[in-house]
Amino acid sequence: QQPVQSPQAVILREGEDAVINCSSSKALYSVHWYRQKHGEAPVFLMILLKGGEQKGHEKISASFNEKKQQSSLYLTASQLSYSGTYFCGTDNAGGTSYGKLTFGQGTILTVHP
Amino acid sequence: NAGVTQTPKFQVLKTGQSMTLQCAQDMNHNSMYWYRQDPGMGLRLIYYSASEGTTDKGEVPNGYNVSRLNKREFSLRLESAAPSQTSVYFCASPNTPVGLNYEQYFGPGTRLTVT
Repeated sequence: QQPVQSPQAVILREGEDAVINCSSSKALYSVHWYRQKHGEAPVFLMILLKGGEQKGHEKISASFNEKKQQSSLYLTASQLSYSGTYFCGTDNAGGTSYGKLTFGQGTILTVHP
Repeated sequence: NAGVTQTPKFQVLKTGQSMTLQCAQDMNHNSMYWYRQDPGMGLRLIYYSASEGTTDKGEVPNGYNVSRLNKREFSLRLESAAPSQTSVYFCASPNTPVGLNYEQYFGPGTRLTVT
């Protein structure tokens, strides 16, 4: 079962903030976030491990709520370079997953000047 | 280090034709994956190989076969292409998981159109 991302699309002006949510119906061991530019491959942003960790990457951070089986990606003071499609990938099998992720359907983020 | 490479980059097939998509990684990773990406559907797992010599079905394996030729190479074959297989195909390989901490490295993708 794919995790569900919301919203499906976001349009921002430079400098505005956004939150992208990822929700799973299964227990989560870790959540990965990737960004994909048009016509390119997805690129790793960060991983959140079981334990409620919050991670940061420049002005992009994320949280992980195990009980609610949810993760949120926070983009603050958005830049034009943040435009792209954001995917969450969930690891539902823990140490036996061999790196197998189930990806959400993606959130399209567009930042305008 | 090239990372994950895929060939070809683009391909157009007629219904019923066959082809093999090639993937190679030079990072000495154990696992390799094939995903397909369709608009609004995200990335869906077709097949994966947890280690050399093993392969397993993912979420959408019908119409595909795979071969893990060696540790470096993992190929995806379409025996009889159908228009529903028009998609972008990504090969990926995670650095060997240490517990749960790993990153998926993606190849550049193959854009396949079946007419």
